[in-house]
Amino acid sequence: QVQLQESGPGLVKPSETLSLTCTVSGYSITGGYYWGWIRQPPGRGLEWIGSIYHSGSTNYSPSLRSRVTISVDTSKNRFSLKLSSVTAADTAVYYCARAPDYGDYVWGQGRLVTVSS
Amino acid sequence: QTVVTQEPSFSVSPGGTVTLTCGLSSGSVSTDYYPSWYQQTPGQAPRTLIYRTNTRSSGVPHRFSGSILGNKAALTITGAQADDESDYYCMLYMGGGFSVFGGGTKLTVL
Repeated sequence: QVQLQESGPGLVKPSETLSLTCTVSGYSITGGYYWGWIRQPPGRGLEWIGSIYHSGSTNYSPSLRSRVTISVDTSKNRFSLKLSSVTAADTAVYYCARAPDYGDYVWGQGRLVTVSS
Repeated sequence: QTVVTQEPSFSVSPGGTVTLTCGLSSGSVSTDYYPSWYQQTPGQAPRTLIYRTNTRSSGVPHRFSGSILGNKAALTITGAQADDESDYYCMLYMGGGFSVFGGGTKLTVL
């Protein structure tokens, strides 16, 4: 059974880069799915950030594309998110997911990241 | 910029039937958008209910069903239960590997 776990700093300073990693267990990241990131600001709705295939092919939300980088490490069965130049508006719970285009997502538990000095 | 629309809130009586919808600010939703639905209770990660318009994800009860109604995607809950009280989000695939979530519907069972 596939499981995903987010990890990374829970506090990031404004203007710095947010970095999170999603470790996948119970399934090989090379198994043919896209792997994605979604976020949810406190008290608000879900926002799709982007996704990556094990080949390294990426897709990003147009609204975040200029600041987002998603990468994959197949040797460690994990993928990562970097979001640059963060502001308080980037404070959110960040979820990773096995994210096929047709929507049958398998979700991680989420990681709260707060942007504050 | 395309916006995915959902009712902000809805209520249903226990045992009743409710249909939530998912539309586009411009245009009609079709199966080509692979409409999917997610349930989220406070403090929890979302749970996938429906994908590819009408396919239930593993372990999802049959009282949840998906469809296209007119120009929107729809999630119908038949025989609502108290623990169906949650936020429900739809997501549409826009093509080119990019998806968009709706703003969510807060469902109250009372």
